[in-house]
Amino acid sequence: GAVVSQHPSRVICKSGTSVKIECRSLDFQATTMFWYRQFPKQSLMLMATSNEGSKATYEQGVEKDKFLINHASLTLSTLTVTSAHPEDSSFYICSASRQGHNSPLHFGNGTRLTVT
Amino acid sequence: AQKITQTQPGMFVQEKEAVTLDCTYDTSDPSYGLFWYKQPSSGEMIFLIYQGSYDQQNATEGRYSLNFQKARKSANLVISASQLGDSAMYFCAMRESPMDSSYKLIFGSGTRLLVRP
Repeated sequence: GAVVSQHPSRVICKSGTSVKIECRSLDFQATTMFWYRQFPKQSLMLMATSNEGSKATYEQGVEKDKFLINHASLTLSTLTVTSAHPEDSSFYICSASRQGHNSPLHFGNGTRLTVT
Repeated sequence: AQKITQTQPGMFVQEKEAVTLDCTYDTSDPSYGLFWYKQPSSGEMIFLIYQGSYDQQNATEGRYSLNFQKARKSANLVISASQLGDSAMYFCAMRESPMDSSYKLIFGSGTRLLVRP
């Protein structure tokens, strides 16, 4: 069964509003979670590494103030897209891994965000 | 520079035949891991197979096997006895061993596989 749960699966919002996406690890504690973004027919681009109890680490070119990440517990990370614009429309997918270099990332089912 | 390269944007294979999806990587880290994921049209990411840089044997998982050629820095995925349900995007990914011990994966551009009946 799923080990990472992501909600919502789809969201439509108006420009200027904020959207929160939740990512939960279901049967293990994840001190680190990862947020990826995927444009249609493209690869997954790492946006940021979410660290429990500390600030997220953002990849180059990702706006920290637009994509707020909070990792308040060992099983929950949230991504908030602030003041959304149509160009933020995308597929956002979170992931988490058990400890161990050879442990695969387990992915949520993704959130398709459409900003109108 | 690209760390993970998948040179085949799209591939066709006849049902029940085998297919190889190419992946080359670039790293100076002696310790790394290579992963393959399948992404159906639904969008979920399904883990298929893992190969560690120190593994002596090629990884296998059911109909999936990994042709790991370390000197050439390639980690091709072989799918045997293709099934219609194998039609999907396939991503190769790499994890290095940075000092911060993060376990992030870097993905290649993907290969879209279409299995013909």
